[in-house]
Amino acid sequence: GNSVTQMEGPVTLSEEAFLTINCTYTATGYPSLFWYVQYPGEGLQLLLKATKADDKGSNKGFEATYRKETTSFHLEKGSVQVSDSAVYFCALSETGNQFYFGTGTSLTVIP
Amino acid sequence: DGGITQSPKYLFRKEGQNVTLSCEQNLNHDAMYWYRQDPGQGLRLIYYSQIVNDFQKGDIAEGYSVSREKKESFPLTVTSAQKNPTAFYLCASSIAFSSGSYEQFFGPGTRLTVL
Repeated sequence: GNSVTQMEGPVTLSEEAFLTINCTYTATGYPSLFWYVQYPGEGLQLLLKATKADDKGSNKGFEATYRKETTSFHLEKGSVQVSDSAVYFCALSETGNQFYFGTGTSLTVIP
Repeated sequence: DGGITQSPKYLFRKEGQNVTLSCEQNLNHDAMYWYRQDPGQGLRLIYYSQIVNDFQKGDIAEGYSVSREKKESFPLTVTSAQKNPTAFYLCASSIAFSSGSYEQFFGPGTRLTVL
């Protein structure tokens, strides 16, 4: 079956530090992969996505590359800001099946 | 602006009462979803609807009910049979249920507290 596994948090970083949040997936076919962000008390917002192997999704300084060989979609940002503090969810969607979300990784950035 | 609205943002109910959470979308999406989120946990699918007048149980449907009489509306009723209803409820929609590359769009959520 399909599933998504994220690194467990919480993650605490100083401002301007490098961020990596690991995400690996299991899928029966060829899924699309997504990163969502959730700010406190709000719904989820799409951060970036990639629809096929070797695609790189990017937005607001965040990047993730769809690696079929390692079944991974790790989220990275070169220099985090306090405003990046949120919970990040990795997700996959495969035609003919539902969305699968990871358990979320909480990020806190301190000045 | 197109989007998903959920109301109310905060809801308080006494134990044993049924309560209905509203979800409306003006994105012209066929598929709609309800998720439950508990503190520090991921999203769990309660119900989904692929088209009007059709809906399917998700992973944790017990104690919940839904209807889909209009394309833009997908209300969720939390019944007294739900053993632990206090949670954050998220409504989402997508162009189609199994659309692969198309993302889900989320509403702002409703925080339900049962006293």
